[in-house]
Amino acid sequence: SQQGEEDPQALSIQEGENATMNCSYKTSINNLQWYRQNSGRGLVHLILIRSNEREKHSGRLRVTLDTSKKSSSLLITASRAADTASYFCATDAWYSSASKIIFGSGTRLSIRP
Amino acid sequence: DVKVTQSSRYLVKRTGEKVFLECVQDMDHENMFWYRQDPGLGLRLIYFSYDVKMKEKGDIPEGYSVSREKKERFSLILESASTNQTSMYLCASSFRGYYNEQFFGPGTRLTVL
Repeated sequence: SQQGEEDPQALSIQEGENATMNCSYKTSINNLQWYRQNSGRGLVHLILIRSNEREKHSGRLRVTLDTSKKSSSLLITASRAADTASYFCATDAWYSSASKIIFGSGTRLSIRP
Repeated sequence: DVKVTQSSRYLVKRTGEKVFLECVQDMDHENMFWYRQDPGLGLRLIYFSYDVKMKEKGDIPEGYSVSREKKERFSLILESASTNQTSMYLCASSFRGYYNEQFFGPGTRLTVL
């Protein structure tokens, strides 16, 4: 069961441009996270935003959260070739005895030199 | 640094074989997770464990079992491998708690012939 859905599924931009990815989810959340996955590798946590936060920054990353619209966006500024990866949003959910997070299907970002 | 390791990066098995995938984490995390990742489907949770000897089914547990005899180790077992279990398998761990960032291993790409 997927809670978060990323949009677009794929994005190709020129190096130096900004990249924006969106995530929509269905039910109330406590927090939302963004992860990056380089090709054939495990996921790496990028940033977590709590439900009572509207915006958060980490280096070239900016995440916004709109709980009224059940959506979040990830902005990567001044993109670099190394940003080429898949990006996933993940929302928390309580599942029986423990909390877990549910991942979307991801946005594939390609940075053209 | 948190380290999550998986026993193999690549594995090739034959239909009907019993397959063990092992995951070890060194951060004393209570929670451990097994996901499979397939193109277009994102990450799907197979099983997770919130304590030693405790396990919970995820979204797609059929054909899999798990074992957690020690806190740092979580094993995924394919009792009788089938071709539709060819996939990338990702292990993750996290602290129990409200803001549960997950730390991922590098993944095991399993091919069942």
